[in-house]
Amino acid sequence: DGGITQSPKYLFRKEGQNVTLSCEQNLNHDAMYWYRQDPGQGLRLIYYSQIVNDFQKGDIAEGYSVSREKKESFPLTVTSAQKNPTAFYLCASSPGTSGRGPYNEQFFGPGTRLTVL
Amino acid sequence: ILNVEQSPQSLHVQEGDSTNFTCSFPSSNFYALHWYRWETAKSPEALFVMTLNGDEKKKGRISATLNTKEGYSYLYIKGSQPEDSATYLCAFPGSGNTGKLIFGQGTTLQVKP
Repeated sequence: DGGITQSPKYLFRKEGQNVTLSCEQNLNHDAMYWYRQDPGQGLRLIYYSQIVNDFQKGDIAEGYSVSREKKESFPLTVTSAQKNPTAFYLCASSPGTSGRGPYNEQFFGPGTRLTVL
Repeated sequence: ILNVEQSPQSLHVQEGDSTNFTCSFPSSNFYALHWYRWETAKSPEALFVMTLNGDEKKKGRISATLNTKEGYSYLYIKGSQPEDSATYLCAFPGSGNTGKLIFGQGTTLQVKP
């Protein structure tokens, strides 16, 4: 089945550690996105990538890093510089953006809940 | 940063009630308005992508209208059922053709049997 997978489902991190969240899609989508959700808030964009080997910062990129070496994969690293990393993280993808970016619905993975101990 | 507002934040209705909620967005430089449904323990799923002023879209008992001139969209659910319980998110494209979306904080609907 086509879709987006995220792993792990739950992740616990000690303060000062970097952790990497996995996101893989087999929808052949060009664009991929990382969002963060906190209680009472909407989804906030961390990073996005419109094409392999290219990515841009979203609204809350500080303390995070990403890579896009393959079309199917867009891992997110939460670094020790992120002051408040405990949150729910969602990955999404959408078809190519060439002229159609705003009109393409996004497809979401199941999410990873990160807790800093 | 562009602002997308949803109201109410939460809503409790009885099974069979009809309900509606609002999404407000910037009326300038309009491209599209997205609605997503996010059920507990599932991934958000797209309901509608609306592009034309005055547009009305329907999926089963759920429909949405769009007013791009005044910057709002309504989502209606007719005869709510417990399976309609979810958080409903609207989203507005951030800028240009990037595909970035700015999400509202959502309206959480609870339908009591």
